[in-house]
Amino acid sequence: KQEVTQIPAALSVPEGENLVLNCSFTDSAIYNLQWFRQDPGKGLTSLLLIQSSQREQTSGRLNASLDKSSGRSTLYIAASQPGDSATYLCAVPGGTSYGKLTFGQGTILTVHP
Amino acid sequence: GAVVSQHPSWVICKSGTSVKIECRSLDFQATTMFWYRQFPKQSLMLMATSNEGSKATYEQGVEKDKFLINHASLTLSTLTVTSAHPEDSSFYICSALLTSGKEQFFGPGTRLTVL
Repeated sequence: KQEVTQIPAALSVPEGENLVLNCSFTDSAIYNLQWFRQDPGKGLTSLLLIQSSQREQTSGRLNASLDKSSGRSTLYIAASQPGDSATYLCAVPGGTSYGKLTFGQGTILTVHP
Repeated sequence: GAVVSQHPSWVICKSGTSVKIECRSLDFQATTMFWYRQFPKQSLMLMATSNEGSKATYEQGVEKDKFLINHASLTLSTLTVTSAHPEDSSFYICSALLTSGKEQFFGPGTRLTVL
């Protein structure tokens, strides 16, 4: 059974810092890995999707890397801003399909001015 | 990008009543949709897989007679919480899988409060 773990559980940083969120998964036979953002009481916003054949994906100030063999992914946020404050979730598909995502517990990020 | 909507966004009901939540893919067809629930300060847990034109597949521990799922068209799946109780209060989120099967998009969620 796939298990996804995110470290740290919470992170508080001053504005402008570069930061790294970590995600690990137990079963390396994944099709892809996805990072999401969730604001309080809201749904999920997809940030980055990395296919299993890729090593990283970039979108603006966000960069996500994937190391399947070690079962790890990192989300790098450059020059953090207060608007980045949210919960960040990583997820991987379970079993033999792209669906049925297994989520980590999330990292609660607070960026203070 | 692909958009998924949910209706209602929040609902408050009395214990014992049934509540229906709709999940729609607005600009694409989705043969497969998923229903998740999220308790406060916890992550999302998959409840069931909704397949257009066939019965839903429920995850272990999810009561199929309590959480009725209907996927009547390629753009609509509904989740009905029957005889709701306070312990069913949660945030319910749906997602729709692109026909390519490689990415899914999430709805904004429905906050259910059962009094």
